[in-house]
Amino acid sequence: GENVEQHPSTLSVQEGDSAVIKCTYSDSASNYFPWYKQELGKGPQLIIDIRSNVGEKKDQRIAVTLNKTAKHFSLHITETQPEDSAVYFCAARMDSNYQLIWGAGTKLIIKP
Amino acid sequence: GAGVSQSPSNKVTEKGKDVELRCDPISGHTALYWYRQSLGQGLEFLIYFQGNSAPDKSGLPSDRFSAERTGGSVSTLTIQRTQQEDSAVYLCASSLITRAYEQYFGPGTRLTVT
Repeated sequence: GENVEQHPSTLSVQEGDSAVIKCTYSDSASNYFPWYKQELGKGPQLIIDIRSNVGEKKDQRIAVTLNKTAKHFSLHITETQPEDSAVYFCAARMDSNYQLIWGAGTKLIIKP
Repeated sequence: GAGVSQSPSNKVTEKGKDVELRCDPISGHTALYWYRQSLGQGLEFLIYFQGNSAPDKSGLPSDRFSAERTGGSVSTLTIQRTQQEDSAVYLCASSLITRAYEQYFGPGTRLTVT
């Protein structure tokens, strides 16, 4: 079955710098890749997603890139702010399966 | 509109007791998921409900765990004879069946088994 690996487990960056979180997946049939942000004491919230027919997607300070050949996708956050501090999860899904396969999460710490 | 709600927000129980966790999905969402999140870990799929179809229980870790969904809306996750390893945050999510990939999560129930 599908397996999603996420790195790093913890990422600390200076406020204003960029942050990059990477995920790899194993099943080439996966075609949908969302990113969720989980703030302390809350459930995860979808922040951006990408489908396999697209290589990059941007939404203000966040962007996601997908390399289907290498089977990896990344989340990029530019001009980081204190409110970006959270745990970020990547996931993968096939159209034939409703389940999301989740990465283990990355704790992003923004240093003032 | 209202999001997914879960109750209680925190539950402390003694080992061996039964607990019930409740989830109220977003109105109109026919798909409902339960996940378990242990401290510092990712999300572990437990069970999936879709409309009137038989639920996918493939993620339930043991027969002490069960869930039901009444009237296609509210869901209850029941853990019988709780063990310390059941301590975790239990998250519920719902989605439209036409957008099953976009899951909306509740705030979770933190279960502590002493």
